[in-house]
Amino acid sequence: QVTLKESGPGILQPSQTLSLTCSFSGFSLSTSGICVSWIRQPSGKGLEWLATICWEDSKGYNPSLKNRLTISKDTSNNQAFLKITSVDTADTAIYYCARTATVVKGWYFDFWGPGTMVTVSS
Amino acid sequence: DIQMTQSPASLSASLGETVSIECLASEGISNSLAWYQQKPGKSPQLLIYGASSLQDGVPSRFSGSGSGTQYSLKISGMQPEDEGVYYCQQGYKYPWTFGGGTKLELK
Repeated sequence: QVTLKESGPGILQPSQTLSLTCSFSGFSLSTSGICVSWIRQPSGKGLEWLATICWEDSKGYNPSLKNRLTISKDTSNNQAFLKITSVDTADTAIYYCARTATVVKGWYFDFWGPGTMVTVSS
Repeated sequence: DIQMTQSPASLSASLGETVSIECLASEGISNSLAWYQQKPGKSPQLLIYGASSLQDGVPSRFSGSGSGTQYSLKISGMQPEDEGVYYCQQGYKYPWTFGGGTKLELK
């Protein structure tokens, strides 16, 4: 059974660094073709892909967040991490991690965590 | 970036009615298209991948079709549990992008 769960600080101040952890079970990030992604959703709005890390340590980032994102993994402990530097109120959102796999054609988010709410406020 | 445009933004369907949601990509994505359903307060769930393949456990009333830049999701026989917001997503190339969503309600 595949499960993922996000954890984060809940609330932080503008200009701080947001650190998120995704703890998962039921799959391994050392398995060929498997990745973990971070996706966020501001309240009442749509989904925005942020970053992905894959089994062979390749990474992809959304260029709209420029150089603020860093994704990493701890394969032995079944965790993935995301850091976002210099946060502001626009970063207030629910942050999801999702298992990402390539099937047939393309890459898809086949299992999602419940999400963690992050509020940026002074 | 590949822009994904969904239509309509919202719709209301009667019980048993067939519903269609469209997704237009700004360039060809070679069937690398997924559909997700999101219910209030829940995380999205994968329904369709590869434009037309049904994810395990998803009812067969859901189907996907399309090619090139135009794709669609069909629900053959609206059920109360189908209420929610539906998103398309291209998994063809970075940055992966989502459509703006379609809110589906039961009439």
